[in-house]
Amino acid sequence: NAGVMQNPRHLVRRRGQEARLRCSPMKGHSHVYWYRQLPEEGLKFMVYLQKENIIDESGMPKERFSAEFPKEGPSILRIQQVVRGDSAAYFCASSPQGPGFGEQYFGPGTRLTVT
Amino acid sequence: AQKVTQAQTEISVVEKEDVTLDCVYETRDTTYYLFWYKQPPSGELVFLIRRNSFDEQNEISGRYSWNFQKSTSSFNFTITASQVVDSAVYFCALSEVGTSYGKLTFGQGTILTVHP
Repeated sequence: NAGVMQNPRHLVRRRGQEARLRCSPMKGHSHVYWYRQLPEEGLKFMVYLQKENIIDESGMPKERFSAEFPKEGPSILRIQQVVRGDSAAYFCASSPQGPGFGEQYFGPGTRLTVT
Repeated sequence: AQKVTQAQTEISVVEKEDVTLDCVYETRDTTYYLFWYKQPPSGELVFLIRRNSFDEQNEISGRYSWNFQKSTSSFNFTITASQVVDSAVYFCALSEVGTSYGKLTFGQGTILTVHP
């Protein structure tokens, strides 16, 4: 069983461009969490999705950021009009059973650099 | 609201020393999970342990051990006979089951450097 896949692993964007980060959960997992790690900081929760639904987006910046987890295909974290402050490592984690069981399996992360 | 505090920002030890990383948490939930993750220089997050709030037994895995004390809301991590390969950032995290959809709240991390 392959682990959580994230691509690209490294992404460079110029200010104003769009960034799309993909997360393929483990097989059979229908719950995805996204976290962001800003330089020299810990990880912060961004959004929790189940298939086709956003359940908790309390950690998402109000503008420019969006996330989806379609019925088919990976979960996508989209950042429009990127700014230098968006440079960070973005991790996704998948879970087989949702919040009640505490299991989250992390991907290797996508390192976004905004120039 | 849930909160995790890792008061030690950086720790530096010499190989073979024992080292304890502190973690204190706050939660209103009675059911929750506590975690430790390791982030080596390569950047990925390596899962070390998950403990639920009803299991206060200490755990040992090789050179690693964890001490969970609900009375002091602490979940400390000890590395015995540290090695250079233990050098990494270590994160403690909390997940509330009832109120916050299981999202993880991380501490700020402790940078551990083990010198040869």
